[in-house]
Amino acid sequence: AQSVTQPDIHITVSEGASLELRCNYSYGATPYLFWYVQSPGQGLQLLLKYFSGDTLVQGIKGFEAEFKRSQSSFNLRKPSVHWSDAAEYFCAVGVGDDKIIFGKGTRLHILP
Amino acid sequence: NAGVTQTPKFQVLKTGQSMTLQCAQDMNHNSMYWYRQDPGMGLRLIYYSASEGTTDKGEVPNGYNVSRLNKREFSLRLESAAPSQTSVYFCASSARTGEDEQFFGPGTRLTVL
Repeated sequence: AQSVTQPDIHITVSEGASLELRCNYSYGATPYLFWYVQSPGQGLQLLLKYFSGDTLVQGIKGFEAEFKRSQSSFNLRKPSVHWSDAAEYFCAVGVGDDKIIFGKGTRLHILP
Repeated sequence: NAGVTQTPKFQVLKTGQSMTLQCAQDMNHNSMYWYRQDPGMGLRLIYYSASEGTTDKGEVPNGYNVSRLNKREFSLRLESAAPSQTSVYFCASSARTGEDEQFFGPGTRLTVL
């Protein structure tokens, strides 16, 4: 069955430090992969997506993600976080003509 | 261009009451979705509509019904609300299912007493 796993429920980093949020998926075919961000009290906003081609994808707000087929992973990275990056981050997998499956999310906390 | 709009923003119901959550999009998208978000559970798909005139069950459809009124509007109805349906509900739309970015509304916070 298709699934998305975000192993870290909470992550805390200092402002200015680098960030990596992990995402692993289970899907038989080549997936469509997404990262969304949710600020408190808001809906979700797309950060970036991977469909095909270059496995390193650039997104908004300085985020990037790398698709690694051999590891079934799509980890999100940012070289230097800002206090405004504190939010909840969701990895998602598009399963063809059907629907998108979301992970349970990782809440990012930023220390000043 | 408002994107995806949802009404109401907040609602409190008593057990057994009914209500309809409204959702509309102005992006001419084919696909629309209803999710619920609960702490630690992420987003769970309730129902979706891949195109006007079609609806399908998602992961957690029990206790809900939907109507794809036209291409713009997709409503979610709770016929007899239960405390387990206390949640934040999000509507989303996309050009196509499974492949395209989903655009989300601001959510409806529902409390069932």
